[in-house]
Formats: sequence, structure tokens, C-alpha cells
Amino acid sequence: EAQVTQNPRYLITVTGKKLTVTCSQNMNHEYMSWYRQDPGLGLRQIYYSMNVEVTDKGDVPEGYKVSRKEKRNFPLILESPSPNQTSLYFCASSLASVNTEAFFGQGTRLTVV
Amino acid sequence: EDQVTQSPEALRLQEGESSSLNCSYTVSGLRGLFWYRQDPGKGPEFLFTLYSAGEEKEKERLKATLTKKESFLHITAPKPEDSATYLCAVLPGTYKYIFGTGTRLKVLA
Repeated sequence: EAQVTQNPRYLITVTGKKLTVTCSQNMNHEYMSWYRQDPGLGLRQIYYSMNVEVTDKGDVPEGYKVSRKEKRNFPLILESPSPNQTSLYFCASSLASVNTEAFFGQGTRLTVV
Repeated sequence: EDQVTQSPEALRLQEGESSSLNCSYTVSGLRGLFWYRQDPGKGPEFLFTLYSAGEEKEKERLKATLTKKESFLHITAPKPEDSATYLCAVLPGTYKYIFGTGTRLKVLA
């Protein structure tokens, strides 16, 4: 089954404690991205990757890091989480960046206290 | 500045009562406009991609249209299972997707 898998689904952590949210896709997609979704603000792109070892900033990259060492995986790293990073996070992948549908993961609800 | 605005924010319809959702956009060089459906607690699910003004696409009770400044998602004779948040997104000349804040649709039986 074609899917994008995120882990964990729910996470509560404390300010400053480094964490990683994993994302994996089994569709051999080139383009992957991370979004955060906040009430009233919609989905905002954090980082995207057009292929292995190729990443770039989205609209809200501050406080986040990513890496793309393998085509299927695109982890999101919060080196020093802060309460304003409390949000619902989605990973997405698509065959190519241009004009192709995106498949989204189930979401990760992160709370930073 | 590239931006996407969806209206209305929320919409309540009776079953069978047709209506339209709007997505207006201002972008530099539109590569594509996308419609997604999002159910509570789930990731968005792809519905349509539109590439150029005048294009239309249909799927069951949904029909999406595109002009140079906006897109409409027409819902014909909706059913309660059509209740969801509908998201519009654009891909401008960059490779950064821009999403609207969505329209929450509630269809009453």
C-alpha cells in the first residue's frame, strides 16, 4: 500500500530537549516536504527536498533542520524546541515537485512545555 | 507577495443543497493549483490539480474550475459524508507550496 508514515503520532516534550520526527514513504517519490498546521494559519511549509541531498527552506524554517540521505526518508529535527513550535506537523511526498499530487502522512501532534 | 485566500471560512449546507467554495490567489507564475480534502485528525487527501485558466475537473459531486485569479470548488447535491475541510494550494514559480486556511464544510442530513 502506498503511504507516507510519520512517527511518533503524538509527542509531549520539554523546552530545549532535542527531538526528531521521522517520515518515510514507499512510493519512490522525489519531492518531500514538511508542514506545520496551526489554527487560523493553515498549512505552512517548513522545508522541502527535491531529491537526495537537495533541501531548501520553506516559509517557516526557523528552529528546524532536515536531512535527505535516502530517497525514502526525510526526518524533521528540532534541535532546541520551544513552546511556539507546538503544532500539528505533516510530512508529504510527491512524484515530482511540479504539478503532481502530494500524499500526506497521518500527522504528528507535538506539544512543547 | 504570493498568497492564497479561501472563502467562506465555514459553510453549513443541508443535504442536497449545492454551493461553491472560493480560492483566490495572487502568485508570480502559477505552475498549478491544487484542491485537497482534510478530515479531522487526518492528513490532507488530494482531489484535483488545475494548470491553466479555463480548465475544469470533476469527481463525483465535486467540480473544480480555474480562472486567472481564482478557483471554485462546486459541490452538487452534497451528502453528509462530504463534510470536511477543503484546502486550496498553489505552486508558484518557486517550488514552495502555499496553502489557504481552508473552508470547513458541514453537510446536515
